[in-house]
Amino acid sequence: EIVLTQSPGTLSLSPGERATLSCRASQSVSSSYLAWYQQKPGQAPRLLIYGASSRATGIPDRFSGSGSGTDFTLTISRLEPEDFAVYYCQQYGSSPKVTFGPGTKVDIK
Amino acid sequence: QVQLVQSGAEVKKPGASVKVSCKASGYTFTSYGISWVRQAPGQGLEWMGWISAYNGNTNYAQKLQGRVTMTTDTSTSTAYMELRSLRSDDTAVYYCARVDPFEDWFDPWGQGTLVTVSS
Repeated sequence: EIVLTQSPGTLSLSPGERATLSCRASQSVSSSYLAWYQQKPGQAPRLLIYGASSRATGIPDRFSGSGSGTDFTLTISRLEPEDFAVYYCQQYGSSPKVTFGPGTKVDIK
Repeated sequence: QVQLVQSGAEVKKPGASVKVSCKASGYTFTSYGISWVRQAPGQGLEWMGWISAYNGNTNYAQKLQGRVTMTTDTSTSTAYMELRSLRSDDTAVYYCARVDPFEDWFDPWGQGTLVTVSS
């Protein structure tokens, strides 16, 4: 099973700042089958990025994903108030068995 | 629009079973799979398994093998997840999610169903 590690656990930033979230896999994720989800309190997760770098429909371009192999990054170029949430990475390269990272909480400094 | 609507909250006693439904609309149900994911209070996301709405093939997380069954009813575009022999640590919000047929990412998700296991 591929284990995903996310860092940092919590990221405290101010609106307008840049956020850089890391996701590291215990082994290479085939075909960059990695996704990022955003979850706000009391809500279901929402797909942001798939295929490591493709934005899902309706996702603002301040969200971008990059990486390959075992190291992946989600970048939020300028934080908006609605971006403060928990972010999870997910690998689906060993489909149909998928795994999620433990999450990174982005909170207001 | 594509939507998954789940059944309401449940309270169950230890040892009982629960069956959660997930009704799909806005797309061809049999062209996608459905995965189930749960989230214990204050915790992260745990993948439970997947079912093909096309042919009913399933794949379950190893830790739930023998306790979980996923099914679909194509006549009503509804997926079901049944979990048996409930324990207190099964208390969680249970989500269904549509699975992309080519790359297996999840979009969209249902609103979630809280299952509380308590004596």
